Amino acid sequence: EIVLTQSPGTLSLSPGERATLSCRASQSVSSSYLAWYQQRRGQAPRLLIYDTSSRATGIPDRFSGRGSGTDFTLTISRLEPEDFAMYYCQQYDNSPITFGQGTRLEIK
Amino acid sequence: QVQLVQSGDEVKKPGASVKVSCKAAGYTISSYGISWVRQAPGQGLEWMGWISSHNDNTVYARKYQGRVTMTADTSSTTVYMEVRSLRSDDTAVYYCARSSSRWNWFDPWGQGTLVTVSS
Repeated sequence: EIVLTQSPGTLSLSPGERATLSCRASQSVSSSYLAWYQQRRGQAPRLLIYDTSSRATGIPDRFSGRGSGTDFTLTISRLEPEDFAMYYCQQYDNSPITFGQGTRLEIK
Repeated sequence: QVQLVQSGDEVKKPGASVKVSCKAAGYTISSYGISWVRQAPGQGLEWMGWISSHNDNTVYARKYQGRVTMTADTSSTTVYMEVRSLRSDDTAVYYCARSSSRWNWFDPWGQGTLVTVSS
């Protein structure tokens, strides 16, 4: 099973700042089969990024993803108030599908 | 638009079973599968398994094999997940999510169904 470790656990930033979230895999995620989700309080997760760097439909271009192998990053270029939420990475390269434990992005 | 609408919240006693439904709309259900993901209170996301709406093939996470059954009814565009022998640590929000294959990303997600297991 691929274990995904996200860091930091909590990220405190102000609107307008840049956020960088990390997701590290316990073994290589081949073919870049990694996705990112945003979950606001009390809501279902929402797909942001798939295949490491492809934005889902309707996702603003301030969200971007990159990485390969075992190290992946989600960047939010300029934080908007609605971006403060939980973020999860997910790998779908290997069975079982696994998620990271999440990064909480909070307002500083 | 594409959406998944789940059945309402449930309260069950330990040892009972629960069956959660997920009705798909806005797309051809047979062209996609559905995964189920659960989230215990204050915890992260855990994948439970996947069902093909095309041919009823299923894949379950090892942890749930033998205790969870996923089925699909294409005539009503509804997918079901039954969990048997419920325990208190099965208390969670259960989500269905569309997935084009067994190993893929999930988009969109249902609104979630809270299953509370309590005596």
